[in-house]
Amino acid sequence: DAGVIQSPRHEVTEMGQEVTLRCKPISGHDYLFWYRQTMMRGLELLIYFNNNVPIDDSGMPEDRFSAKMPNASFSTLKIQPSEPRDSAVYFCASTLSGRVDTQYFGPGTRLTVL
Amino acid sequence: QQPVQSPQAVILREGEDAVINCSSSKALYSVHWYRQKHGEAPVFLMILLKGGEQKGHDKISASFNEKKQQSSLYLTASQLSYSGTYFCGTESSGGGADGLTFGKGTHLIIQP
Repeated sequence: DAGVIQSPRHEVTEMGQEVTLRCKPISGHDYLFWYRQTMMRGLELLIYFNNNVPIDDSGMPEDRFSAKMPNASFSTLKIQPSEPRDSAVYFCASTLSGRVDTQYFGPGTRLTVL
Repeated sequence: QQPVQSPQAVILREGEDAVINCSSSKALYSVHWYRQKHGEAPVFLMILLKGGEQKGHDKISASFNEKKQQSSLYLTASQLSYSGTYFCGTESSGGGADGLTFGKGTHLIIQP
């Protein structure tokens, strides 16, 4: 399997623009997680899905952030409008059965908002 | 609540041992350990379940003290390839999110 795939790998945008990050989980994995990593706050869970249904979005920082999973092989994380403080590395991870299971991380998207 | 890791950073010579600690203020169901190299994604090392079981492979092992809500990662006879940032991720016993709450990481530098 190719592992978790994320695109783009790097994104540079200007404040106020819409940003869409994409993730393809490992085939057959039922859980998908979105994390954000910054120097100040470390790795933070934003939202996770089980069988394409959002289960917990309490980590989503503001209404500017939204995530969808229209099918088992694709998820998006959208920021609209983007702000400089959104600059971070965004990771997507998937796991087979959820709790107490290995989470496989994608390579991440490095977002820079100018 | 984010688990607390210690130390924040450690520098070792190749062949020396290291211990990285992770403690939580919440009752834990499991502790996950990941290693991340600069510019790369975190990579899974091991999971420990409540029950105090110690796990390991090769020269990396870990323990989990459920009562103290603490876990420790042991790196024995460290190799250059062990360099990176180590994160513990915790799942609380109270249910809720299945996502992990990660500590801020411990930076490990192994020098030849």
